[in-house]
Amino acid sequence: AQSVAQPEDQVNVAEGNPLTVKCTYSVSGNPYLFWYVQYPNRGLQFLLKYITGDNLVKGSYGFEAEFNKSQTSFHLKKPSALVSDSALYFCAVRDMRGAGKSTFGDGTTLTVKP
Amino acid sequence: DTAVSQTPKYLVTQMGNDKSIKCEQNLGHDTMYWYKQDSKKFLKIMFSYNNKELIINETVPNRFSPKSPDKAHLNLHINSLELGDSAVYFCASSLSGQVGNQPQHFGDGTRLSIL
Repeated sequence: AQSVAQPEDQVNVAEGNPLTVKCTYSVSGNPYLFWYVQYPNRGLQFLLKYITGDNLVKGSYGFEAEFNKSQTSFHLKKPSALVSDSALYFCAVRDMRGAGKSTFGDGTTLTVKP
Repeated sequence: DTAVSQTPKYLVTQMGNDKSIKCEQNLGHDTMYWYKQDSKKFLKIMFSYNNKELIINETVPNRFSPKSPDKAHLNLHINSLELGDSAVYFCASSLSGQVGNQPQHFGDGTRLSIL
């Protein structure tokens, strides 16, 4: 079985400050990991993914994420937050040996205040 | 050009009715999905098709029946609608769904409200 935990329902940061949205996962084998963002009344949009290789993955809109195998984490980060980054963020995991299903976390609402 | 398009965007109907939601993707993907997002924004996979073949069928009431006439289309028919079916339903697609290392592209959802 595979699972994803996003321990924070809500993250608040000031514009210009660094942000971190946390994600931990559990899979039997090696993971494929993804981050998505959802703006109000829109579908999820892909931000970045980890498949293999370099633990630091860079994605869209200045976001990056660090894969940590020993801590089974894949935290999303951005050095300087923008008000427009305010949205709902989802982490997703897929076991490389799985049957085709990705499991999504419960989501974290990021609010960036001016 | 919309990559994954769903119709209708809003659906308001009475309990007990039957309704369908349509989804089309123009990305050339071979795998399509239906998700349900509830009022707390939790996202759950319902079904997935790869090359018109059902590959994921989660624990969903059999009132829900997906149909994939071709790789670019995945429709969802719901019989005897219940209050608990009120949610936002998202269609998504990806390349090589069986491999699993490709991101999914989502439509903007169909907001279903049961009166």
